Amino acid sequence: GAVVSQHPSRVICKSGTSVKIECRSLDFQATTMFWYRQFPKKSLMLMATSNEGSKATYEQGVEKDKFLINHASLTLSTLTVTSAHPEDSSFYICSARPAQVSGNTIYFGEGSWLTVV
Amino acid sequence: GQQVMQIPQYQHVQEGEDFTTYCNSSTTLSNIQWYKQRPGGHPVFLIQLVKSGEVKKQKRLTFQFGEAKKNSSLHITATQTTDVGTYFCAAFSNSGYALNFGKGTSLLVTP
Repeated sequence: GAVVSQHPSRVICKSGTSVKIECRSLDFQATTMFWYRQFPKKSLMLMATSNEGSKATYEQGVEKDKFLINHASLTLSTLTVTSAHPEDSSFYICSARPAQVSGNTIYFGEGSWLTVV
Repeated sequence: GQQVMQIPQYQHVQEGEDFTTYCNSSTTLSNIQWYKQRPGGHPVFLIQLVKSGEVKKQKRLTFQFGEAKKNSSLHITATQTTDVGTYFCAAFSNSGYALNFGKGTSLLVTP
C-alpha cells in the first residue's frame, strides 16, 4: 500500500537552533501534503497545507516565518522549525494525498518527535 | 474548516465490555473518516463513510453515519486490550483538501 515516510522520527535540538523534518511519499506522487502538530494527549492540529511548486497555505495562528514549508517535488515536503523554543516541542505528522487517485484517501507519515532543550 | 466535536474524551472499560464514541458537526458533512492512534504511534485510517445513514462493519467495529450527515459513531463490541488507543473522527475542511480532526476519544481497556 501507499507509504509516507517521515525523517527523523525523533530529534532533540537546542533552543534557538533550526530543525528540518522531511516527509516523503514513497510510491506515489503527492501534489498536496499536510503538516499537523500534536501535543501530548491532544488532537492533531492542522498547521499548513503544502502545495508542490507554490507557497504553503498556513492555518490561522501558525507563524509562517517560524514554520517554513517547502514542497520542492511531487514526493517531498519539508518542515523547518526555525529558532526553536521548548514550547515547539511536539509530535509533528505529515500526510499526503495521492495525485493520481481520485477520492479522499490520505496517508499519514509515522510522525516526528521534536524535543527542544 | 468544518469542526467536528467528539465525545467522550476518555473511556475506561473492562475487557469484554462495549465502547462507543460519537462525533457531531453543526454542518452537513460530505463524508467522515475514522482513525485509530495507538500510544506513541501515528493515526491509522480505519474507514470512510459517505452516504447518509451508512453503516459499515469491520469485525467488532461498527461505524455509522447519521441520516442528516451531521453525526457519526464508532461502536466496538466486546473490547479487547488490543483496542486500546485514541479514536479520532475527521472531516474535510471547506476547501475539501485538508482533514480536520475531532479531539479524539482515548480508550483504555483493562483485563
